[in-house]
Amino acid sequence: AQSVTQLGSHVSVSEGALVLLRCNYSSSVPPYLFWYVQYPNQGLQLLLKYTSAATLVKGINGFEAEFKKSETSFHLTKPSAHMSDAAEYFCAVTPGGGADGLTFGKGTHLIIQP
Amino acid sequence: DAGVTQSPTHLIKTRGQQVTLRCSPKSGHDTVSWYQQALGQGPQFIFQYYEEEERQRGNFPDRFSGHQFPNYSSELNVNALLLGDSALYLCASSTTRTGYTRETQYFGPGTRLLVL
Repeated sequence: AQSVTQLGSHVSVSEGALVLLRCNYSSSVPPYLFWYVQYPNQGLQLLLKYTSAATLVKGINGFEAEFKKSETSFHLTKPSAHMSDAAEYFCAVTPGGGADGLTFGKGTHLIIQP
Repeated sequence: DAGVTQSPTHLIKTRGQQVTLRCSPKSGHDTVSWYQQALGQGPQFIFQYYEEEERQRGNFPDRFSGHQFPNYSSELNVNALLLGDSALYLCASSTTRTGYTRETQYFGPGTRLLVL
């Protein structure tokens, strides 16, 4: 079984500041990890994914995440926040090697202060 | 390249009724998964269809059922609706084609269901 914990239901940063959204996972097998973004009244858009290749993963819109097995973490970062980054962010995990359903965290609402 | 599409976008039903939601996967995708997202929560996995069969199921009652058609499109059916079934229902598609990561799922815009 797997689970995801996202620390901080709300994160507020100033425009131009570093964005750091935290995700810790639990998995009994080597995981595949994903970050999705959801804008109001929309579906989920894939930001980036870790599938057992490079541990530092670059995604769209300037986001990146680093897989740290020893810390069971997959934190999402962006060097400089933009107003358009305001949205809900979800971390998700699934067992690698299969095509199972994703297990999502509860989400982090990112607020960008002007 | 069309992405994942879902219909209808919104739906209002009353308790005890039945509902059918529809999903067309992304072009070239053969696997469809369904998720329920309650307000303020992360999506929860309902079930996944591949080759017209349910291959995995989450912790949802039998009132939730589905179907996949030969063209890979899918339906989600919910019987005997409860107030607690009010949510955004998301469909996601993925592919088993060689060279692609089958675990990577692409989501549609969702169907918002309100049960009164």
